[in-house]
Amino acid sequence: GESVGLHLPTLSVQEGDNSIINCAYSNSASDYFIWYKQESGKGPQFIIDIRSNMDKRQGQRVTVLLNKTVKHLSLQIAATQPGDSAVYFCAENLPYNFNKFYFGSGTKLNVKP
Amino acid sequence: NAGVTQTPKFQVLKTGQSMTLQCAQDMNHNSMYWYRQDPGMGLRLIYYSASEGTTDKGEVPNGYNVSRLNKREFSLRLESAAPSQTSVYFCASSENGGNQPQHFGDGTRLSIL
Repeated sequence: GESVGLHLPTLSVQEGDNSIINCAYSNSASDYFIWYKQESGKGPQFIIDIRSNMDKRQGQRVTVLLNKTVKHLSLQIAATQPGDSAVYFCAENLPYNFNKFYFGSGTKLNVKP
Repeated sequence: NAGVTQTPKFQVLKTGQSMTLQCAQDMNHNSMYWYRQDPGMGLRLIYYSASEGTTDKGEVPNGYNVSRLNKREFSLRLESAAPSQTSVYFCASSENGGNQPQHFGDGTRLSIL
């Protein structure tokens, strides 16, 4: 989920398990969403995106689900690996704010070997 | 595959000093962005450039200026640094603004004493 402040919510999973990371977005008019992965000391890395005319999109080992009714986005990672350990955050884009994304603060994923 | 390159990677300044953060992208993208990231918070947009020759304010522009030098380069200037500007600064680019992923550099870690 989302958090404001110094301490990010943390999800700990065992290697090989599936992970689900959640994001509550703020604006019902948002029509484009992105999930990013950020490793320590690095910039955010694009994982997957979804437009509001879809409710599910799959990539390699990742699936994004969009529930517009409750303004909720989730990222599912299959067979989580130690290399998946990072902070994950979502971003939303409004159609009338074409160049402005709004970013969540993120969830830290710890994968235990 | 350089992508988005930021310099410097680290910098320590004294209050009142000025400096320019450099960003260059080699993906022929039209839109470029500057963000700041503070602990436990989402990325916040400082300024953006939708295309070469244009710049606009984001969410937190006070204390900063930008220059879109050409299509590849977008610099961020702190004229008189303040401790509140201690942060990690990220530059990003996208092909044509919203509804497209933004690609990030690895950041400049700036401390102001």
